[in-house]
Amino acid sequence: QQQVKQSPQSLIVQKGGISIINCAYENTAFDYFPWYQQFPGKGPALLIAIRPDVSEKKEGRFTISFNKSAKQFSLHIMDSQPGDSATYFCAASPNAGNMLTFGGGTRLMVKP
Amino acid sequence: DAMVIQNPRYQVTQFGKPVTLSCSQTLNHNVMYWYQQKSSQAPKLLFHYYDKDFNNEADTPDNFQSRRPNTSFCFLDIRSPGLGDAAMYLCATSRNPTGQETQYFGPGTRLLVL
Repeated sequence: QQQVKQSPQSLIVQKGGISIINCAYENTAFDYFPWYQQFPGKGPALLIAIRPDVSEKKEGRFTISFNKSAKQFSLHIMDSQPGDSATYFCAASPNAGNMLTFGGGTRLMVKP
Repeated sequence: DAMVIQNPRYQVTQFGKPVTLSCSQTLNHNVMYWYQQKSSQAPKLLFHYYDKDFNNEADTPDNFQSRRPNTSFCFLDIRSPGLGDAAMYLCATSRNPTGQETQYFGPGTRLLVL
């Protein structure tokens, strides 16, 4: 019940296209869903996060869509740029105690 | 700039030879974490300190130990590294010990075991 399943494992998108990464979870106690971005040789950094009281959150070109009934959430990167090439991790956490549970990661490559 | 610093960035050790990785932070956060990240995998939490309280994950091998002598510093000790311990080791911090706090990661130390 602690798992977060992330897909795809890798993604290639042309510059200007939309990148979509999906995550699914089982634990209904999860109520905080961050996305972390990791560049090669660097540690992950928080990109954007959402709570289940909203269905969508947008920050610049990055949008999280959240479907509580389906227990799924996704990251959309609009107008993808080569500089967005990185590994993206979704994660989830319950509202009290416990740590983050990370998804398996998606390696995104944006071709110029 | 407030940050999480890890030294060294690359560490080579021999099979069975103890090694220590270090982490320091200028964020004055209460919590410091150690993660192990193997190639193309998600970070795996080894343990964390909330102030001086040590919290070990159930599946963390006894071979891994940690020390936090003060708020700013935290060390990861691998007593007898095996080939399977070769990985990137990430230190992270947060203000409070819940998954809902933003975690700030250092750049990591890549450990190679020969």
